[in-house]
Amino acid sequence: KQEVTQIPAALSVPEGENLVLNCSFTDSAIYNLQWFRQDPGKGLTSLLLIQSSQREQTSGRLNASLDKSSGRSTLYIAASQPGDSATYLCAVLGGKLIFGQGTELSVKP
Amino acid sequence: DAGITQSPRYKITETGRQVTLMCHQTWSHSYMFWYRQDLGHGLRLIYYSAAADITDKGEVPDGYVVSRSKTENFPLTLESATRSQTSVYFCASSGSGVGRTLDEQFFGPGTRLTVL
Repeated sequence: KQEVTQIPAALSVPEGENLVLNCSFTDSAIYNLQWFRQDPGKGLTSLLLIQSSQREQTSGRLNASLDKSSGRSTLYIAASQPGDSATYLCAVLGGKLIFGQGTELSVKP
Repeated sequence: DAGITQSPRYKITETGRQVTLMCHQTWSHSYMFWYRQDLGHGLRLIYYSAAADITDKGEVPDGYVVSRSKTENFPLTLESATRSQTSVYFCASSGSGVGRTLDEQFFGPGTRLTVL
């Protein structure tokens, strides 16, 4: 059974810092991996989708990497801003989309 | 408005009542999904649909019923609500189903359901 783990559960950084969020999964037989952002009381916003054949995807200050063989993905956020404060979720698609518990990020001004 | 919408956004009901949560998308996406989000459990798939009139169970389907008579709508019904079904419910959709690879999933704003 696929299990997705995100470490750390919470992270607080000063504005301007570069940071990395981690996602690990137990079954490497996946079709894609998706990173989402969730603001308090809101729905999920898709940030990046990496297909299983890809190694990374970039969007603005965000870069996501995927290493299927080791069951890991990272989300790199450059030059963090207070507006980046949110919970970040990764999800892997095998037969179904399985979510991690999320990393709650707080960027302090 | 284009996108994926859910209604109602908030609902309070009593144990034993039937409740229907609505989901509507304007992209003509073939796939639609229902998730619930709970502290300690994260997001879990309840049901999904690959096309009109095709539905399948997810991880936690007990106590829920879905239908998909039209591509754009995917209602979720709690036939006899229980307190354990108090949760935030998210609907999502995705575009294609080439082989078994799905496109990005796009989520609605959620419905916060409280069962007293």
